Amino acid sequence: GAVVSQHPSRVICKSGTSVKIECRSLDFQATTMFWYRQFPKQSLMLMATSNEGSKATYEQGVEKDKFLINHASLTLSTLTVTSAHPEDSSFYICSARKPGEYNEQFFGPGTRLTVL
Amino acid sequence: AQKITQTQPGMFVQEKEAVTLDCTYDTSDPSYGLFWYKQPSSGEMIFLIYQGSYDQQNATEGRYSLNFQKARKSANLVISASQLGDSAMYFCAMREAKRGGADGLTFGKGTHLIIQP
Repeated sequence: GAVVSQHPSRVICKSGTSVKIECRSLDFQATTMFWYRQFPKQSLMLMATSNEGSKATYEQGVEKDKFLINHASLTLSTLTVTSAHPEDSSFYICSARKPGEYNEQFFGPGTRLTVL
Repeated sequence: AQKITQTQPGMFVQEKEAVTLDCTYDTSDPSYGLFWYKQPSSGEMIFLIYQGSYDQQNATEGRYSLNFQKARKSANLVISASQLGDSAMYFCAMREAKRGGADGLTFGKGTHLIIQP
């Protein structure tokens, strides 16, 4: 199997604070993880590609200083939303790919962020 | 231009009927992959089926099959004998070979499928 977990599943924070979301591959090593954002009733949008041991690659229009990504180990990537504002409220989902396998990405259960 | 187009925002289907969810894509890459995911109200993304651009045969996984028409750039999902538990959002997605090796998925806007008893 291939299980990806996310923590927390749900977080509510005040405007201006920073929030860290963890994405873990539980039973495989993931050299590459991906972060997506999904606004209500909309599709998933790729934010960035997280590579173990190197800097993340951000999609056009995604602020790298606002969404800090760290992929410190082969099983953990973190997304930190810095100085969160209400417009950052969204569903954040990570996915991971097994090394050498391109035919499937395994998604985490998602984290619902609400910024008050 | 949209890379993935799903033209059916919502569909109502009677239980046990077959249903086809439409997906067209746009890419200039010769090598790409097409995916279908199911997202129930809980939010998790459930992988259903994959089709590679070089695959000669249409992919099948249980009740799911992918009607791949490469010349038309079409990758419709067919669900046979629909069940009440099939009610969910369905997303078509594409992986392209990008410069630098990044291969995150591009998703369509989704189709909300409701199975009626």
